[in-house]
Amino acid sequence: DQQVKQNSPSLSVQEGRISILNCDYTNSMFDYFLWYKKYPAEGPTFLISISSIKDKNEDGRFTVFLNKSAKHLSLHIVPSQPGDSAVYFCAATRGSTLGRLYFGRGTQLTVWP
Amino acid sequence: ETGVTQTPRHLVMGMTNKKSLKCEQHLGHNAMYWYKQSAKKPLELMFVYNFKEQTENNSVPSRFSPECPNSSHLFLHLHTLQPEDSALYLCASSQEWQIHQPQHFGDGTRLSIL
Repeated sequence: DQQVKQNSPSLSVQEGRISILNCDYTNSMFDYFLWYKKYPAEGPTFLISISSIKDKNEDGRFTVFLNKSAKHLSLHIVPSQPGDSAVYFCAATRGSTLGRLYFGRGTQLTVWP
Repeated sequence: ETGVTQTPRHLVMGMTNKKSLKCEQHLGHNAMYWYKQSAKKPLELMFVYNFKEQTENNSVPSRFSPECPNSSHLFLHLHTLQPEDSALYLCASSQEWQIHQPQHFGDGTRLSIL
C-alpha cells in the first residue's frame, strides 16, 4: 500500500506563472518531508524539505507547505522557468525508521515559454 | 566531481549471468543506500548501510547481494536475475542513518535482463 501519493502524473505551466505540485500521505507518523527533482538520465536531486513542526519552508523560488491535518503537502515554484521542467518526487520519513524514505510516483512538470 | 558516482550506467545481462553494480560517494557520508525504480512505480528502498553495517534489508530477494567494504563504496552483486528485475537502480548517501538528512543520489544504473 502506497503511503505517499502524487495523484497528478503531469503538470503544464507557462513560464513566469506559479507551479503547484501536490502530495498526499497516509501515515500520520511521518514527520519529515522532502521534495526531489529529477532530470532525464540523472538521479534525483534534493530540492527542499520540511519538518512536521513547521507548516512552511521557503528557499528562493521554492516553497513547501505542510497541512498535517489534511496529510497534504505542496511545492510552489514562483516564477516557473523552463529549466524547472523535470519530474518532481515527494518523499516522507518518520523518526522511528530514520532515513527510510517513502516516495511518491512523481509529477512531470513542463514549463513552456 | 559528481558527489555520488554509479557504474556502469547501463547493463544488459542474461538471467544466468553474474554482474555487480558499483557506487562511490565523495561526500564524506557514512550512510549509503540502494533503491530500485521500476517503470511507473515509486522508488523502493532495498538496502541501507550505516558505517559499513547493514541496517536495513527491505525484503529483497537473495539474488541481490549488497556489499559495503567502506563508507565510500557500495556494491550490489547480481546473480540469476529475473526479467522483472529490469529497472533503474539508484545509489544514495547521507551524512548518517538519521533523520533530517537529505539523501544524495547517483545517476543510476539502467539494468535490462534478457
